[in-house]
Amino acid sequence: DAGVTQSPTHLIKTRGQQVTLRCSPKSGHDTVSWYQQALGQGPQFIFQYYEEEERQRGNFPDRFSGHQFPNYSSELNVNALLLGDSALYLCASSSRANEQFFGPGTRLTVL
Amino acid sequence: DQQVKQNSPSLSVQEGRISILNCDYTNSMFDYFLWYKKYPAEGPTFLISISSIKDKNEDGRFTVFLNKSAKHLSLHIVPSQPGDSAVYFCAASEGDDKIIFGKGTRLHILP
Repeated sequence: DAGVTQSPTHLIKTRGQQVTLRCSPKSGHDTVSWYQQALGQGPQFIFQYYEEEERQRGNFPDRFSGHQFPNYSSELNVNALLLGDSALYLCASSSRANEQFFGPGTRLTVL
Repeated sequence: DQQVKQNSPSLSVQEGRISILNCDYTNSMFDYFLWYKKYPAEGPTFLISISSIKDKNEDGRFTVFLNKSAKHLSLHIVPSQPGDSAVYFCAASEGDDKIIFGKGTRLHILP
């Protein structure tokens, strides 16, 4: 079992650009959650996808959007990047239980 | 407004001694609490959890204590080992709602 995988590992973008991050959940998991972890902070919930629909959303602007595919994998899209979007983006998968399994994250740097 | 607070950014403990990590929360509706451990360049790893109907849960060297009246939980690691050096995140959720994380405590196990 490969666990939760995320791509790419690192990414450098400039302000105003758009970015797409990808996540494959752990085998048997159907729910994917995305988190943003800024330096020195804990992970902050962005949104959660289940059955290809956004089920819950945290306090993030509409520039942050996502998608879940029939195979349960997911994408996080961020438009009009700001310097403050620089962070580690974590994907977590679960099977409708509280315990979430995290991927290694994608480190996004916005210049 | 931080609903989950870890007031100690770091903690140093001698190898073999007990490590106690503390966490406070403000939302009395939280009914599930979790501890995650994070090494550099990896995603958070689930460590142990506790439901609000319990006041203690033990798993090997790790024990979590919950004091609902004080809205406080703690993670005890005994005996502490070098491999326990990591950042520990306290987290909480209400039902199937999103998981809220604290800012983390960096634990250093000293030889």
